Amino acid sequence: DQQVKQNSPSLSVQEGRISILNCDYTNSMFDYFLWYKKYPAEGPTFLISISSIKDKNEDGRFTVFLNKSAKHLSLHIVPSQPGDSAVYFCAASGTGTASKLTFGTGTRLQVTL
Amino acid sequence: DVKVTQSSRYLVKRTGEKVFLECVQDMDHENMFWYRQDPGLGLRLIYFSYDVKMKEKGDIPEGYSVSREKKERFSLILESASTNQTSMYLCASSTPTGGRETQYFGPGTRLLVL
Repeated sequence: DQQVKQNSPSLSVQEGRISILNCDYTNSMFDYFLWYKKYPAEGPTFLISISSIKDKNEDGRFTVFLNKSAKHLSLHIVPSQPGDSAVYFCAASGTGTASKLTFGTGTRLQVTL
Repeated sequence: DVKVTQSSRYLVKRTGEKVFLECVQDMDHENMFWYRQDPGLGLRLIYFSYDVKMKEKGDIPEGYSVSREKKERFSLILESASTNQTSMYLCASSTPTGGRETQYFGPGTRLLVL
C-alpha cells in the first residue's frame, strides 16, 4: 500500500508563477516530512523539511505547508524558475520507523519560459 | 559537505550474473540505505544498515543481499541478476537523530540487465 501519495505525475508552470506540488499520506505515525528534488541521472537532493509541530516552513523561494488533520502537505515554489524543472519527491518518517523514509512516487515539474 | 559516491554510473550485465554495487560515504554516518527508483513507483527501500555488520530488510529485499564490513561502505549484491532488476539504484546515508534524519544520496547507478 502506498503510504505517501503524489497524485499528480506531472505539472507544467510558467516561469515567474507559483508551482504547487501536493503530497498526501495515510500513516498517522508520520511526523516528519521532507521534499527532495531530482534531476535526471543524478541522486535526489534535500530541499526542505517540516516537523509535525509546525504547519509551515520557509526557505527562500520554497515553502512547505502541512495540514495534519487532512494528512496533506504541499510545496510552494515562488517564483518558479527554469532550473526548478526536475522531479520532486515527498518523503515521510516517524517514531518507530527507525530512520527510514517512505517516499512518494514523484511529480515531474516543468517550468516553461 | 556530505559526499556519497557510487562505484559506477552505468552498468550493463547479463541475466544470471552476480552484480556488486558499491557505495561509500565520507561523513561518518551510522545509517546507510539502498533504494531503487522506477518510473511511477518512486523510491523503494531495498535494504538498510544502521551499523557495521548490521542490516535490515526494506520493502523489496527479494533477489538482493547487502554487506557492510566498514562504516563508510555499503554494498548491494544481486546474486543472480534478472531483467526485472533493471533500474536506477540509489545509495543514501544519514545520522540517526530521533526520526528527524535527512538522508543524503549518491548520484545513482543505472543498471541494465540483458
